[in-house]
Amino acid sequence: GNSVTQMEGPVTLSEEAFLTINCTYTATGYPSLFWYVQYPGEGLQLLLKATKADDKGSNKGFEATYRKETTSFHLEKGSVQVSDSAVYFCALRPTGGGNKLTFGTGTQLKVEL
Amino acid sequence: DTAVSQTPKYLVTQMGNDKSIKCEQNLGHDTMYWYKQDSKKFLKIMFSYNNKELIINETVPNRFSPKSPDKAHLNLHINSLELGDSAVYFCASSQTNTGRSETQYFGPGTRLLVL
Repeated sequence: GNSVTQMEGPVTLSEEAFLTINCTYTATGYPSLFWYVQYPGEGLQLLLKATKADDKGSNKGFEATYRKETTSFHLEKGSVQVSDSAVYFCALRPTGGGNKLTFGTGTQLKVEL
Repeated sequence: DTAVSQTPKYLVTQMGNDKSIKCEQNLGHDTMYWYKQDSKKFLKIMFSYNNKELIINETVPNRFSPKSPDKAHLNLHINSLELGDSAVYFCASSQTNTGRSETQYFGPGTRLLVL
């Protein structure tokens, strides 16, 4: 079956540090890949997405590249801010019908001054 | 205006009770979803409706019954609540259920605590 594995958190960084949150997936075919972010007390928001191999999704300084050869979609940001503190979810949508997202377990990011 | 709204935001109730959570989206989307997020933040889909028709029904106890009176609303009724039902329930919607890069828009969540 389909699955998404994320690095465990919490990840604690100082402001302006470089961020990487690892995400790998298991799926048949060519799934679409997503990063969603959940700020405290809120619902999830789409951060970025990629639909085919070597696509790079980017938004608000975050980037992730769809790597078919390593089945990965790692999230990166060059310089984090306190306001980036949130839980980040990697997700995949498999090929085929339906729009069923499979989520990873989420990685909590804490950014301190 | 809130795109996807849920009521109530918080729900505290006793074991054995029956409760409902309501969801509405004003985005004109065809597809709506219910997700459950447990205490460890793990998020899992429960149901999905497309144009009022059930299209995804994960392994969920039949105490949970979704109802979609129209494509802008998807409600979740839970019978005989159990302690393990305590979680945050998220409603979401998307334009369709077939696009490869469909974005799902999430509501703010309903925090259910069963005592």
